[in-house]
Amino acid sequence: AQSVTQLGSHVSVSEGALVLLRCNYSSSVPPYLFWYVQYPNQGLQLLLKYTSAATLVKGINGFEAEFKKSETSFHLTKPSAHMSDAAEYFCAVTTRGSTLGRLYFGRGTQLTVWP
Amino acid sequence: DARVTQTPRHKVTEMGQEVTMRCQPILGHNTVFWYRQTMMQGLELLAYFRNRAPLDDSGMPKDRFSAEMPDATLATLKIQPSEPRDSAVYFCASAPTVNTEAFFGQGTRLTVV
Repeated sequence: AQSVTQLGSHVSVSEGALVLLRCNYSSSVPPYLFWYVQYPNQGLQLLLKYTSAATLVKGINGFEAEFKKSETSFHLTKPSAHMSDAAEYFCAVTTRGSTLGRLYFGRGTQLTVWP
Repeated sequence: DARVTQTPRHKVTEMGQEVTMRCQPILGHNTVFWYRQTMMQGLELLAYFRNRAPLDDSGMPKDRFSAEMPDATLATLKIQPSEPRDSAVYFCASAPTVNTEAFFGQGTRLTVV
């Protein structure tokens, strides 16, 4: 069975500050991990994914995430927040050999960026 | 600009009525997913298809929900009869193959009163 826990349902940062959104996974087999972003009244857009290549994954809009097997984590970071980053972020997991779109999502983290 | 198209974007209906939500996957994508998003449960998979055949619908209440793909360009999700607890945003997503990530539509926001 797979699951994802996102620590912190709400994160607030100032514009220009570091963004850190936390995600821990549980999987009995090697996972594939994803971060999606959802803007208000929109669908989910893929930010980045880990599929067993490099453990540090770079995505769109300056985001990156590092897969740490020892910590079962896949935290999302961005060095400098921008107002346009305000959205809800979802971490998701599936397993190797599974259909990649068959995802188990976390509950989401709402990111607020203050001017 | 290839995108997954869902209709309607918003639907308000009375309890007991039939609801049909439609999805046009990206042309050439052979895998289609239906997800539901609620405050209580978050995002959860209802069903998914490959080459129009259902692969997994274990997340879908069988007594009132049905999902079909009449052809490669249309997926439908029906609820009959609808209940207030069905109020949610329903997302369709499609992927080129089962080994690639999915692209999501903008969702259908369903309110059952």
